Amino acid sequence: GDSVTQMEGPVTLSEEAFLTINCTYTATGYPSLFWYVQYPGEGLQLLLKATKADDKGSNKGFEATYRKETTSFHLEKGSVQVSDSAVYFCALDSGGGADGLTFGKGTHLIIQP
Amino acid sequence: DVKVTQSSRYLVKRTGEKVFLECVQDMDHENMFWYRQDPGLGLRLIYFSYDVKMKEKGDIPEGYSVSREKKERFSLILESASTNQTSMYLCASSFHFLGAREQFFGPGTRLTVL
Repeated sequence: GDSVTQMEGPVTLSEEAFLTINCTYTATGYPSLFWYVQYPGEGLQLLLKATKADDKGSNKGFEATYRKETTSFHLEKGSVQVSDSAVYFCALDSGGGADGLTFGKGTHLIIQP
Repeated sequence: DVKVTQSSRYLVKRTGEKVFLECVQDMDHENMFWYRQDPGLGLRLIYFSYDVKMKEKGDIPEGYSVSREKKERFSLILESASTNQTSMYLCASSFHFLGAREQFFGPGTRLTVL
């Protein structure tokens, strides 16, 4: 079946550091890929998405490129801020059923001033 | 803006009580979902619904039931709450058609069962 693998962390970085959160997936066909962010005490918010190979999703300084050859969708940001501290979830939709997205377990990111 | 609202942010109940968690979305989405979120376990799908009066079990349906009488509303019911149902509960909704199934989440309900 479909699956998403991401580091769980916590990942601790200093402000203005470069961020990479790895995400790899297993899926049938050509899935759509997503990154969600969850700030403390809140629900998940869609951060960015990509629907086909080589697409780059971007939002709020974050980027991720859909790499079909390596089945990856790594999240990057050039200079993180304390306000980026949150849990980040990678997810996919292979379109195989009505039960929606397959989520990774989430990566807890802590940015220190 | 898509809005998914949940009836309570925090809820405290006693063991054996019947608990209702309500979720309402305003985007005319066909699909609605209930998850629970626990540390180290990520999101786990409890139930989902792809149409009014339709429901399907997710990965962990035991101890829960759901109701969808109207398209915009999806309720999660704990028939007899137990302490191991203490958790964060998240509702989400999405369109049904492929290519646009990203889910939109409510703010969550943190349920404590004493």
